[in-house]
Amino acid sequence: NAGVTQTPKFRVLKTGQSMTLLCAQDMNHEYMYWYRQDPGMGLRLIHYSVGEGTTAKGEVPDGYNVSRLKKQNFLLGLESAAPSQTSVYFCASRDHRDRRISLGGYTFGSGTRLTVV
Amino acid sequence: QQQVKQSPQSLIVQKGGISIINCAYENTAFDYFPWYQQFPGKGPALLIAIRPDVSEKKEGRFTISFNKSAKQFSLHIMDSQPGDSATYFCAAYGGSNYKLTFGKGTLLTVNP
Repeated sequence: NAGVTQTPKFRVLKTGQSMTLLCAQDMNHEYMYWYRQDPGMGLRLIHYSVGEGTTAKGEVPDGYNVSRLKKQNFLLGLESAAPSQTSVYFCASRDHRDRRISLGGYTFGSGTRLTVV
Repeated sequence: QQQVKQSPQSLIVQKGGISIINCAYENTAFDYFPWYQQFPGKGPALLIAIRPDVSEKKEGRFTISFNKSAKQFSLHIMDSQPGDSATYFCAAYGGSNYKLTFGKGTLLTVNP
């Protein structure tokens, strides 16, 4: 059981380039999330999805797009990379069942470290 | 607007000591309060969680204390070990949204 897998693990981009980060989960979770982590800022939500074909904006969505064409995959796209998007990106998923029963919390991937130069 | 405030930002404890991390929340609709542990180079992992209908939950050396009236909760790590050195995030979930709200994290260092 792999859980949540993120690819790639590391990437260096030049300003203006585009790229897609892939998140795949094998737990049949409905909810999926993309966060970015920056020093002193904690985890900030970029976009999330509550099911296949749905997406919604989080706290810091500007400059990013997402797609959830298949239940198990959640893609994060950077349209035109900027140095301010240098960060560690985490994908997470969650069981949609009543959290008060499962208290299962989120399952996170191991992250993608992105540097934009 | 930061809905979950976490303190301290960093904490240094000697081996065998007690580590205490505090969080305060604003939204009374929150009804699930997890703590996540993150080691360098890894994603956060669920450590322990509590519902607001209990005042304390203990799992091994880790205890969450919850004060609903004060809208505060804290993580206590008893007999802290160097292997506990990590970043800890408190979080809150509830209301009409589908997402956790995280604190900014506490970097814990346990010296041998």
